[in-house]
Amino acid sequence: GENVEQHPSTLSVQEGDSAVIKCTYSDSASNYFPWYKQELGKGPQLIIDIRSNVGEKKDQRIAVTLNKTAKHFSLHITETQPEDSAVYFCAASPYSGGGADGLTFGKGTHLIIQP
Amino acid sequence: AAGVIQSPRHLIKEKRETATLKCYPIPRHDTVYWYQQGPGQDPQFLISFYEKMQSDKGSIPDRFSAQQFSDYHSELNMSSLELGDSALYFCASSLGTGGNEQYFGPGTRLTVT
Repeated sequence: GENVEQHPSTLSVQEGDSAVIKCTYSDSASNYFPWYKQELGKGPQLIIDIRSNVGEKKDQRIAVTLNKTAKHFSLHITETQPEDSAVYFCAASPYSGGGADGLTFGKGTHLIIQP
Repeated sequence: AAGVIQSPRHLIKEKRETATLKCYPIPRHDTVYWYQQGPGQDPQFLISFYEKMQSDKGSIPDRFSAQQFSDYHSELNMSSLELGDSALYFCASSLGTGGNEQYFGPGTRLTVT
């Protein structure tokens, strides 16, 4: 089955600086890579995703890059703000087109924005 | 915009009891997923349904069962509860399958004493 590794487990950055979280996956059949933000006591919130036919995707201060050959993808947050503080999870799923495939998550990164 | 609704939000049960968790997907979403998240851990996929049929199966214990009804809501039934079943249980929904975005509900916190 799929195995997703995520680094770092904790990331502390100064407000206004950039943050980068990296993930690797093991199953070459995985084609869909979403990122979730989870605040304490809440459900994971989808913030951005990328599919294997795209190398990069950007949405305002958030961007995701994918290197399918190396099997790794990264989340980039620029101009960080206090409200960006949360746990971020990467995930992977086969994009088989035929079923409701479950997501395999990384262990999460606790992002702390220092004022 | 309407989100995924889960009930109850909190549930306390004793060992060996049963529990039923309910999930109401986003309107027009036809696919439902269940995940379990232990304290400080990542969500673990349990099971999914598309158009009322079981679609994918993850690490769901045999003591658990689930189904999706004609109105697309889903229920997760948990029997012979164990202390280790204490966790957050999330439901997510999507429109269709095949790598479509999964939107998570607020979760049900189950405590087994």
